Amino acid sequence: DSGVTQTPKHLITATGQRVTLRCSPRSGDLSVYWYQQSLDQGLQFLIQYYNGEERAKGNILERFSAQQFPDLHSELNLSSLELGDSALYFCASSAGLAVHNSPLHFGNGTRLTVT
Amino acid sequence: DQQVKQNSPSLSVQEGRISILNCDYTNSMFDYFLWYKKYPAEGPTFLISISSIKDKNEDGRFTVFLNKSAKHLSLHIVPSQPGDSAVYFCAAIFGNEKLTFGTGTRLTIIP
Repeated sequence: DSGVTQTPKHLITATGQRVTLRCSPRSGDLSVYWYQQSLDQGLQFLIQYYNGEERAKGNILERFSAQQFPDLHSELNLSSLELGDSALYFCASSAGLAVHNSPLHFGNGTRLTVT
Repeated sequence: DQQVKQNSPSLSVQEGRISILNCDYTNSMFDYFLWYKKYPAEGPTFLISISSIKDKNEDGRFTVFLNKSAKHLSLHIVPSQPGDSAVYFCAAIFGNEKLTFGTGTRLTIIP
């Protein structure tokens, strides 16, 4: 158990809809990362928050947004969903910013299916 | 632009033998490399890392080798065990920038 909790585990929704994925980091971890894994793809970095502030942005679409709340949990909002957004979405947390000193701990992911 | 590449989608190895997973990268600025292991229905878990100033790091049955001139790293698992069957992701980072992952190699250990 990594200590990172993601809900829901599965989500099925229709095109054009909006969903919210939730992540609770490991106790004490200040950094939260969101990754997307599509079929046969590696983990694509979306966005990182550190102690409530956006720290880094990857290939995140404008239809997607995220935030980290004062209690450090994070939410990833996906809107105007398209079939191609179907993927596994992982949240990860780490204690600090230096990944080599505090490796990422991943949740079990949310599988999103857009029909 | 895939900066971290794992060209073998899958690998099968007999139990007890050595498993060698390979990874190539294009960005010479990467200064740390990591390997993650992923079981089905679980998130990736950190396995081992290596700094770009080293060429080898060992942790039990797992050894990572780095060849900077070839921009290549490999993960050796000796001896391979059935529990090692998983998807292995190579990842790299520069400074405090984002962790860049490869596409993964599915390792199957044959009893």
